[in-house]
Amino acid sequence: AQKVTQAQTEISVVEKEDVTLDCVYETRDTTYYLFWYKQPPSGELVFLIRRNSFDEQNEISGRYSWNFQKSTSSFNFTITASQVVDSAVYFCALKSSDDRGSTLGRLYFGRGTQLTVWP
Amino acid sequence: DAGVIQSPRHEVTEMGQEVTLRCKPISGHDYLFWYRQTMMRGLELLIYFNNNVPIDDSGMPEDRFSAKMPNASFSTLKIQPSEPRDSAVYFCASSFPAPGLAGGVSTDTQYFGPGTRLTVL
Repeated sequence: AQKVTQAQTEISVVEKEDVTLDCVYETRDTTYYLFWYKQPPSGELVFLIRRNSFDEQNEISGRYSWNFQKSTSSFNFTITASQVVDSAVYFCALKSSDDRGSTLGRLYFGRGTQLTVWP
Repeated sequence: DAGVIQSPRHEVTEMGQEVTLRCKPISGHDYLFWYRQTMMRGLELLIYFNNNVPIDDSGMPEDRFSAKMPNASFSTLKIQPSEPRDSAVYFCASSFPAPGLAGGVSTDTQYFGPGTRLTVL
């Protein structure tokens, strides 16, 4: 079965601290995609990154970095030197075939991690 | 470029009333998705369309919910009659799939609209 687990429901840090958001996934597929979305207090869902299952290279974009490890089925997200504007709910998602085996696939979302960055 | 557009942004209605949510996908995207977000259940896929045709509506909660896509640039999600348990944020998303690696699942990214916050009293 396809499943995404974000075990951290809430995290609070003080500005300038580094913080890592955990994501563990389950899928039968050998080809799949992993995503992170950000939902700020305004409510919209903002796409951050997409990685495919064949590319385990870590990725860095400014203060954001992602660590993908197939051996542990994890796709963790680290924010370096956090800022108040990083306060949001962060969702990890898996794109995998659905129960019918459709190659369109479906997005399976975790329950999200609420990150609060205090000044 | 304009993103996914949803209207209204907020809707407050009374139980038993009909509610219609609207969505305009990103131009050129041929997949459209409706999601519902609640504290209890998180983000749930309700239905999705390809080229205006409903492909999978297995997430639609019950017959009170219906969705249509009369053309490539417009979709509606209707609830009739509405109930307090329908209160949620409803998101529309669109995507333009590309062939997946090694023949696997397609490599599209879904882009979400701002959502409609529905409150049924």
